[in-house]
Amino acid sequence: QQQVKQSPQSLIVQKGGISIINCAYENTAFDYFPWYQQFPGKGPALLIAIRPDVSEKKEGRFTISFNKSAKQFSLHIMDSQPGDSATYFCAATGGATNKLIFGTGTLLAVQP
Amino acid sequence: GAVVSQHPSWVICKSGTSVKIECRSLDFQATTMFWYRQFPKQSLMLMATSNEGSKATYEQGVEKDKFLINHASLTLSTLTVTSAHPEDSSFYICSARAPLGLNEQFFGPGTRLTVL
Repeated sequence: QQQVKQSPQSLIVQKGGISIINCAYENTAFDYFPWYQQFPGKGPALLIAIRPDVSEKKEGRFTISFNKSAKQFSLHIMDSQPGDSATYFCAATGGATNKLIFGTGTLLAVQP
Repeated sequence: GAVVSQHPSWVICKSGTSVKIECRSLDFQATTMFWYRQFPKQSLMLMATSNEGSKATYEQGVEKDKFLINHASLTLSTLTVTSAHPEDSSFYICSARAPLGLNEQFFGPGTRLTVL
């Protein structure tokens, strides 16, 4: 019930393309869904987050799509750039827990 | 705003020694901080939740006597790895929860621990 499943494990995208990473959760009490970006040797940085009262949130080239009935959410990176190459983690929290439940991560490589 | 620092950024120690890692919230007060451990190419594994003024809550399988956590003020939490062994070598990351009951967590830059 506490798991967050993330796919794909790795992703290669051409510069200018769209990167799509998907996550699914089980606990319907979760009410906060952030995405983190992590570069090698660095801590995760909050990229964008969404709450279940909206189906989409956009910040610059980054968009979260949220499907409450399917218990799924995804990150779309438009016009992907080589500088976006990093590991991306989805996460979820809410309900009885203040802990972040992380997905397994997606290693994104954007080829120039 | 919402900056979290960690010190040191990396440390190398001999087996059997203890190492202390500091986590500070620089521009906000954090009643709750979290400590994570991350192995190469893996996700973050929560070790413990640190609450200011009270004992830390450890996740299942984490030895509380080996990983000592102190959260003595609203801006500082420390993790001490006692009697470190090579298998404790890892990337340790802390995070601080945003104030006012919000869910956001802000992460530090991490500390690379290598035990020889």
